[in-house]
Amino acid sequence: DAGITQSPRHKVTETGTPVTLRCHQTENHRYMYWYRQDPGHGLRLIHYSYGVKDTDKGEVSDGYSVSRSKTEDFLLTLESATSSQTSVYFCAISESILVGNSYEQYFGPGTRLTVT
Amino acid sequence: QQPVQSPQAVILREGEDAVINCSSSKALYSVHWYRQKHGEAPVFLMILLKGGEQKGHDKISASFNEKKQQSSLYLTASQLSYSGTYFCGTAPPRDDKIIFGKGTRLHILP
Repeated sequence: DAGITQSPRHKVTETGTPVTLRCHQTENHRYMYWYRQDPGHGLRLIHYSYGVKDTDKGEVSDGYSVSRSKTEDFLLTLESATSSQTSVYFCAISESILVGNSYEQYFGPGTRLTVT
Repeated sequence: QQPVQSPQAVILREGEDAVINCSSSKALYSVHWYRQKHGEAPVFLMILLKGGEQKGHDKISASFNEKKQQSSLYLTASQLSYSGTYFCGTAPPRDDKIIFGKGTRLHILP
């Protein structure tokens, strides 16, 4: 199994406060992703990274920022949390198993964030 | 654009077969299938590439129809352990972003 941890695993915060979620991997994989999962919406990509200091936006990036200063860590920040950001957040990493540039992803255990 | 999965939910008895469909309005290069059990992280099942063969994983297999821009996941002689939510994801060529569908909930009864 890929070594991926997320912290914290659970967090309750108030509207308007900043929140940072951390994803840590021990696999030295190049690609890292942040998803949010909400009932009725499936998994939606927030941001992803294809290397240190190389990041890009996903489908639902508004209100979120990311940083990757080291290969093993990918941080997701909510600058000013809102109730609509209450969700389960998953980090994922990918390793290349195919020549054709299509990778399977390994998911972390998730962080349940509640914004009151 | 999110792929569309059908059905949204299905209930089966152990030993019955199931088919989950995934369709996209865009041309596909690859289709990815994941399973998520309640309270756990999604787990990779298989990838199908354009021009590739049908894949299999134990009694779970999948096909990829490039012309119809569709993929189907086949679960044969379902087991209780197959219960969970199945997600398909699609990715265009040379792209590392997977866009997932909303999922299909599968519940297997003994």
